[in-house]
Amino acid sequence: DAGVIQSPRHEVTEMGQEVTLRCKPISGHNSLFWYRQTMMRGLELLIYFNNNVPIDDSGMPEDRFSAKMPNASFSTLKIQPSEPRDSAVYFCASITTGSSYNEQFFGPGTRLTVL
Amino acid sequence: SQQGEEDPQALSIQEGENATMNCSYKTSINNLQWYRQNSGRGLVHLILIRSNEREKHSGRLRVTLDTSKKSSSLLITASRAADTASYFCATDTLPEDNDMRFGAGTRLTVKP
Repeated sequence: DAGVIQSPRHEVTEMGQEVTLRCKPISGHNSLFWYRQTMMRGLELLIYFNNNVPIDDSGMPEDRFSAKMPNASFSTLKIQPSEPRDSAVYFCASITTGSSYNEQFFGPGTRLTVL
Repeated sequence: SQQGEEDPQALSIQEGENATMNCSYKTSINNLQWYRQNSGRGLVHLILIRSNEREKHSGRLRVTLDTSKKSSSLLITASRAADTASYFCATDTLPEDNDMRFGAGTRLTVKP
């Protein structure tokens, strides 16, 4: 298996632009997580899905952020409009729920820079 | 919000020495996990310890858990330069809850 796949790996955009981050979880995993990592705030959970359904989005910073999971093999995190303070590394992770071993498998991350 | 807090924030040692990192958390947990992150990369799972376990070993890694103190430690023995990375603890709570909370991490530097 190729592991969790994220794209793009790097994104540089200007303030006000829409940004879409993509994630393909490991095949067979039915939970997916979006995290944001910054030096100041560390690793923050933004939202997670079980069986494509959003379970907890309390970590989503504001309405400019939205996430979807239209099917078991694809999720997007969208920021519209983007702001410089959104600059961070965004990680996607997946897991098989129902397992007693809750190891999350992380993707390589998308480094977002908003100018 | 973060659940775990690692201590120290940064640790610098010589190759061959042991490195000990600590993690404290606030609420009752089901599992506690340690992850490693190399610069610019995603997190990689190292080891999991369950709430009813007190100690676990994996290669050069030794993890302890004290639920009465709500704390865990990660010991890396005979450290190598390649162990240089950030180390995070993560906790989950309910057995059905896959929502893990990560601490801020300890940045370990192992000097050759």
